[in-house]
Amino acid sequence: AQSVTQLGSHVSVSEGALVLLRCNYSSSVPPYLFWYVQYPNQGLQLLLKYTTGATLVKGINGFEAEFKKSETSFHLTKPSAHMSDAAEYFCAVSRGNDMRFGAGTRLTVKP
Amino acid sequence: NAGVMQNPRHLVRRRGQEARLRCSPMKGHSHVYWYRQLPEEGLKFMVYLQKENIIDESGMPKERFSAEFPKEGPSILRIQQVVRGDSAAYFCASSPGKGADEQFFGPGTRLTVL
Repeated sequence: AQSVTQLGSHVSVSEGALVLLRCNYSSSVPPYLFWYVQYPNQGLQLLLKYTTGATLVKGINGFEAEFKKSETSFHLTKPSAHMSDAAEYFCAVSRGNDMRFGAGTRLTVKP
Repeated sequence: NAGVMQNPRHLVRRRGQEARLRCSPMKGHSHVYWYRQLPEEGLKFMVYLQKENIIDESGMPKERFSAEFPKEGPSILRIQQVVRGDSAAYFCASSPGKGADEQFFGPGTRLTVL
């Protein structure tokens, strides 16, 4: 069985500050890991994904995440927050066609 | 190449009525997933379908809810005798299958039960 835990349902940062959204996973097989972003009243958009290979994954809008097997983590980071980054972020784990989502983290960016 | 399409985008029903939510997957995708998102909550898996087959419905309530993905036409999520607790956003996602990893999401249908 696979599952994801996102630490912190709400994160608030100042514009220009580092963004760090935490995700830990549980999987009995090597996982595929994803971060999705959801803007208000919209569907989910893929930010980045890890399947195999390089453990540091770069995504869209300047986001990146690092797969750390020893820590079972896949935290999402961005060096400098922008106002347009305010949204809900979901971490997900899958293998094959079985995808499970975390509860989400709402990111607020203060001017 | 159009993305995943869902309609209607907004649906209002009175208690006891039926709700039908439609999902057209991306071209070439034969796998469809339905998720429910309650206010202030994450996405909850409901059902996974391939053409004409339900593969996994472990997340779908046993009563009042059903899903299909016919050979022709969109996937349908059907909720009979809706109750206020069914009010949520329902998202459909599709993938090409065959070990593909990423799911592509539609814009969702927001169901309000009065």
